[in-house]
Amino acid sequence: ILNVEQSPQSLHVQEGDSTNFTCSFPSSNFYALHWYRWETAKSPEALFVMTLNGDEKKKGRISATLNTKEGYSYLYIKGSQPEDSATYLCAPTGGNSGYALNFGKGTSLLVTP
Amino acid sequence: NAGVTQTPKFQVLKTGQSMTLQCAQDMNHEYMSWYRQDPGMGLRLIHYSVGAGITDQGEVPNGYNVSRSTTEDFPLRLLSAAPSQTSVYFCASSYSAPGTSGLSSYNEQFFGPGTRLTVL
Repeated sequence: ILNVEQSPQSLHVQEGDSTNFTCSFPSSNFYALHWYRWETAKSPEALFVMTLNGDEKKKGRISATLNTKEGYSYLYIKGSQPEDSATYLCAPTGGNSGYALNFGKGTSLLVTP
Repeated sequence: NAGVTQTPKFQVLKTGQSMTLQCAQDMNHEYMSWYRQDPGMGLRLIHYSVGAGITDQGEVPNGYNVSRSTTEDFPLRLLSAAPSQTSVYFCASSYSAPGTSGLSSYNEQFFGPGTRLTVL
């Protein structure tokens, strides 16, 4: 089981604000880092799967960066909208976790108009 | 494609009863897994399978059994339900197992709609 820390636990921003949150994970034997978006009463949906140190991925207003040497990933949301309200989960693979995907507890984002 | 389907959506059991949560996918995915979601605990992995006939334990396997006789189906069995198993259960699948080589998109997990289980 990989120890995954996500911060902050929750975040409340105004519409139009940009925001970012952090996922920290063990850097040894790292293989890949997953990000998922989970809206209330729905199922998690994949945002990104990142494998390379320095990798940066973007989907609309959401982007993510990866630092495998120090063991962290940042998720950025530019110009937050109410529909961005969700819990954002990260999950690394690697080390002795084998084929398991161990999720962090997530960052809960609320965007109000 | 129906994607990942789970049945039932809701279930109430009495302590000691047994039941099977069904999960099926029609995407020819090799990797399937079961998670439970509890308040403050996030998603915790119960069991997973990297292909038909191959299963392994996740973080919280006690009280649950799985089998994978076909690529499409991955049922989760509760042999003797306990109140501690009250939770929301999600099944997920991906083309290939996390941690394996290939396109990173092959490892993206597709989640089912979930089963809400209450054990009295």
